[in-house]
Amino acid sequence: GQNIDQPTEMTATEGAIVQINCTYQTSGFNGLFWYQQHAGEAPTFLSYNVLDGLEEKGRFSSFLSRSKGYSYLLLKELQMKDSASYLCAPGNQGGKLIFGQGTELSVKP
Amino acid sequence: DTAVSQTPKYLVTQMGNDKSIKCEQNLGHDTMYWYKQDSKKFLKIMFSYNNKELIINETVPNRFSPKSPDKAHLNLHINSLELGDSAVYFCASSQGRTGLSYEQYFGPGTRLTVT
Repeated sequence: GQNIDQPTEMTATEGAIVQINCTYQTSGFNGLFWYQQHAGEAPTFLSYNVLDGLEEKGRFSSFLSRSKGYSYLLLKELQMKDSASYLCAPGNQGGKLIFGQGTELSVKP
Repeated sequence: DTAVSQTPKYLVTQMGNDKSIKCEQNLGHDTMYWYKQDSKKFLKIMFSYNNKELIINETVPNRFSPKSPDKAHLNLHINSLELGDSAVYFCASSQGRTGLSYEQYFGPGTRLTVT
């Protein structure tokens, strides 16, 4: 079966660091994506991990452990515009992404 | 120069009607998708086409019929609309062939409201 678990909501302060965790179970795993979705808008690509380890891209980093079925998205130097929903999405060999419900991040001043 | 475009952006219609949503991508991608995002924000794959061939067909009522006239277009036709069809429908595209994971580019979404 396929299952994705991530926290529903998180709150953090502007300038801080926040880590959004995701655990997953999926057959034919072929990498994990993180997407950002602002309210009323389309999801936009943030990161893709296919091998274990940390991928850094500016203020955003993403980590993957395939053996543990675990990933996290790390956001540094939080800005108000980072308030959004963050979607964890493992992919499979068939090119299908399974999206989690998303973590609603609120950044407070 | 919009990458993935959808029309219409909003669609309000009555139960029992038939409606279509159109999607076009100018990225030269081989694969296109339709997703449904319900009120609980779950984003679920409905269909995927690769070079006009249907490759993903999730458990979706057969009232929903995708059509891909060419690899840059993927339309979604919905017959006999029901209240439960109310959702935001996103089109997306990605490069690559079946079996390879590439980032997907999403259109702006079509908010469908069935009354």
